[in-house]
Amino acid sequence: KQEVTQIPAALSVPEGENLVLNCSFTDSAIYNLQWFRQDPGKGLTSLLLIQSSQREQTSGRLNASLDKSSGRSTLYIAASQPGDSATYLCAVTGGGNKLTFGTGTQLKVEL
Amino acid sequence: DAGITQSPRHKVTETGTPVTLRCHQTENHRYMYWYRQDPGHGLRLIHYSYGVKDTDKGEVSDGYSVSRSKTEDFLLTLESATSSQTSVYFCAIRAGTGGTEAFFGQGTRLTVV
Repeated sequence: KQEVTQIPAALSVPEGENLVLNCSFTDSAIYNLQWFRQDPGKGLTSLLLIQSSQREQTSGRLNASLDKSSGRSTLYIAASQPGDSATYLCAVTGGGNKLTFGTGTQLKVEL
Repeated sequence: DAGITQSPRHKVTETGTPVTLRCHQTENHRYMYWYRQDPGHGLRLIHYSYGVKDTDKGEVSDGYSVSRSKTEDFLLTLESATSSQTSVYFCAIRAGTGGTEAFFGQGTRLTVV
C-alpha cells in the first residue's frame, strides 16, 4: 500500500525567505506526482504536476523536483510572501489511476 | 475550477438518513473520484469511476455507494448516515494535457447529527 509522508507538518517563516517542503512515498511505481495548495475552508488548487519521466517542473516562484527511485519530491518556494500561507499537499498517482495524498504541510509566512 | 460543481455545498442531516452528494463536470472527462478529508487523516479515496457505469472502491468505501449513469455526473450516496461520516467531501476529475492532472471541486461540508 502506497504511503505518502510530508515533513514538516507545520512551518512558519518570515517574509522573503526561500523554503523547501518535503514529500516522500514508499512505492516508486508511480505515474506522476502533483503538488496542491489548500486555503482554509477551500478546495485544492493544483500547483505543479511532474510526470514520472520528469525530474522537475517550474511555475513562477515554485519549483518541484522528483526523484522517483528514492521516493522523494521537494517543493521549493522562492521569496515567500504572506499570500503563500496555506496548506501544501503532495499526491502520487499509482495503479488504477488513484491519487494517494500526504497529510500536508501547513505554511505560515509572517510579515 | 476545471468545470467541476459539487452540490450541495453544505448539508446537515440526521443519523440514519440517506444522503446523496452530486459531482457534475462540464467536459466529459473519463475519471472521476470522491474523497473525504478529515483532520489527522488527510484526503482518503472513497470511490472512483473510470467511465459510465464503471466504478471501483477506494480505501474507505464502507457505508458509501456511487453511481455514474452519465459521463458528467458522479453521485455519492451515504446509505444510512452516521456521525463518523461527518466530513468534507471532495470530488475530483482527471483533465489537462493527456488527462493526467487532477482537479478538485470546492467541497461539500456534511454534518451528521
